[in-house]
Amino acid sequence: AQSVTQLGSHVSVSEGALVLLRCNYSSSVPPYLFWYVQYPNQGLQLLLKYTSAATLVKGINGFEAEFKKSETSFHLTKPSAHMSDAAEYFCAVSDRSSNTGKLIFGQGTTLQVKP
Amino acid sequence: EPEVTQTPSHQVTQMGQEVILRCVPISNHLYFYWYRQILGQKVEFLVSFYNNEISEKSEIFDDQFSVERPDGSNFTLKIRSTKLEDSAMYFCASRRDSSADTQYFGPGTRLTVL
Repeated sequence: AQSVTQLGSHVSVSEGALVLLRCNYSSSVPPYLFWYVQYPNQGLQLLLKYTSAATLVKGINGFEAEFKKSETSFHLTKPSAHMSDAAEYFCAVSDRSSNTGKLIFGQGTTLQVKP
Repeated sequence: EPEVTQTPSHQVTQMGQEVILRCVPISNHLYFYWYRQILGQKVEFLVSFYNNEISEKSEIFDDQFSVERPDGSNFTLKIRSTKLEDSAMYFCASRRDSSADTQYFGPGTRLTVL
């Protein structure tokens, strides 16, 4: 069965610092991979996704993620944090062979950005 | 930009009562989902719906739960007899076609069971 692990339930960075949120998956076949962001009292918004081809994926708001098959990882990065990046971030996977396309989520990482 | 909408935003109910959570998916989407997020926990898959039938459901989705697409527009989740542990944020999502397509989420309904 597929699973997703997000290392660090809470990450704190200073404004302007590098953001690194970690995600590892467990799957016999590389799945589709997604990062979603949840701002307070809002729904989930897609940041970026990996479905095939390019392993470095660029998303919205300056975020990007790199798929590394050898490490079964899909870590999310942003070179310079902004106060508005403070939110909950979820990594999710979807089985490529599944028609239903259900998402399996990690535990989430709360990003705090200090001034 | 089209979006998924959900009503109500907050529902308070007494244990044992029936609740219906409503969602309007994006109009040209074919796959529909319900997820839930208990406070402080991760988002969990409940059920997927395609071609007017359930395509997959999780262990959480027991006989107390049902889904319906009554009119080609709305997508509803019914909980027949609510329990305290059903208190959670419920998210509706939809996607157009391929499993590589993005799932778009609604803002959620916060269900509080007293």
